[in-house]
Amino acid sequence: DGGITQSPKYLFRKEGQNVTLSCEQNLNHDAMYWYRQDPGQGLRLIYYSQIVNDFQKGDIAEGYSVSREKKESFPLTVTSAQKNPTAFYLCASCTRDTSGNTIYFGEGSWLTVV
Amino acid sequence: RKEVEQDPGPFNVPEGATVAFNCTYSNSASQSFFWYRQDCRKEPKLLMSVYSSGNEDGRFTAQLNRASQYISLLIRDSKLSDSATYLCVVNLMDSSYKLIFGSGTRLLVRP
Repeated sequence: DGGITQSPKYLFRKEGQNVTLSCEQNLNHDAMYWYRQDPGQGLRLIYYSQIVNDFQKGDIAEGYSVSREKKESFPLTVTSAQKNPTAFYLCASCTRDTSGNTIYFGEGSWLTVV
Repeated sequence: RKEVEQDPGPFNVPEGATVAFNCTYSNSASQSFFWYRQDCRKEPKLLMSVYSSGNEDGRFTAQLNRASQYISLLIRDSKLSDSATYLCVVNLMDSSYKLIFGSGTRLLVRP
């Protein structure tokens, strides 16, 4: 079955450490996205990528980095520069066309800084 | 001004009530529109796409008003299981191809 897979689901990090969240899709989607969600709040865009080897900053990119070396993979690194990294992180993908595009989400990753 | 705005609610309604949510967007380049439902601690799930002519799926009706730049979601005969957060999503079809989410509207349906 086609879908989008995020891992790990739960992650604990010590302050000062970098951590990388994985996002893989086998839907042949061009566009991929990373969002952050804080308790009681909506989704905020961190980074997005339209094609391989290209990505753009979203609204809250500071303290994060991404890569898009393969179409199916869009890992997110939460660096030690991110001041408040504890949050729910969602990866999404969709087709870059005009015909009934549907957004697919991963199940999310809960990151807690201890 | 936020690119996509929603009333955060919560909307607290009795079972069987009809409830409507609005979502406004600021970028006229927005081309695709969706309503997603998100349950606590879960990823959002597609409820319905929103088409220019309006569309209905069972108890749910979505409408788009391009002139006023808003979309709406109407839920009839509310069920307890409708309690969730409803996210409005717009998709810019310009070169950026951004997906922009509203902050969500909470719905609580009480017995």
